[in-house]
Amino acid sequence: SQWGEENLQALSIQEGEDVTMNCSYKTYTTVVQWYRQKSGKGPAQLILIRSNEREKRSGRLRATLDTSSQSSSLSITGTLATDTAVYFCAKNNRIFFGDGTQLVVKP
Amino acid sequence: GGIITQTPKFLIGQEGQKLTLKCQQNFNHDTMYWYRQDSGKGLRLIYYSITENDLQKGDLSEGYDASREKKSSFSLTVTSAQKNEMAVFLCASSITGANTGQLYFGEGSKLTVL
Repeated sequence: SQWGEENLQALSIQEGEDVTMNCSYKTYTTVVQWYRQKSGKGPAQLILIRSNEREKRSGRLRATLDTSSQSSSLSITGTLATDTAVYFCAKNNRIFFGDGTQLVVKP
Repeated sequence: GGIITQTPKFLIGQEGQKLTLKCQQNFNHDTMYWYRQDSGKGLRLIYYSITENDLQKGDLSEGYDASREKKSSFSLTVTSAQKNEMAVFLCASSITGANTGQLYFGEGSKLTVL
């Protein structure tokens, strides 16, 4: 994409496993937002992390941001079948990076 | 809580036709957005509006018009539908124009051009 690349992946795991998704980008940012999009729905914001936070947690979610390597990650612990979705990272409200990671969690 | 309502949910048009999508939000948010999402792809910004009667172009504005008739509504017009326009159009809103404010999305309008 014009703004960067997200590691386009299709991940298939079993319920209960942990998973980490990565996002790398070309343009400088001090904020990364992670969104989740379930089939047939619009995206929903999961977590916003700023560069001065390095790591942010919300329930089973953990996001990291490394501005030196221009990358961010989203980890989900103890996945559920309801976590099945496409996950996107975004620089801000106007720029979404890449095509997302398709996560399938099998029950 | 609030909701974003997009109409129609499915829109079928002919190549060359002018087609309009509508979006309503009851969050009382200032800023509204239109994104396009091609199958299996990410979101690309078409237009956004930070207040009534304001319009700002996104990366993909060519071939589209938009109108912010009032605070709660934001319309998008495909000026001349092309076969490669088949996509889902997503409307969103955020409380302010600050570009890291949380976005709230509608469920999308799927456009098919015959």
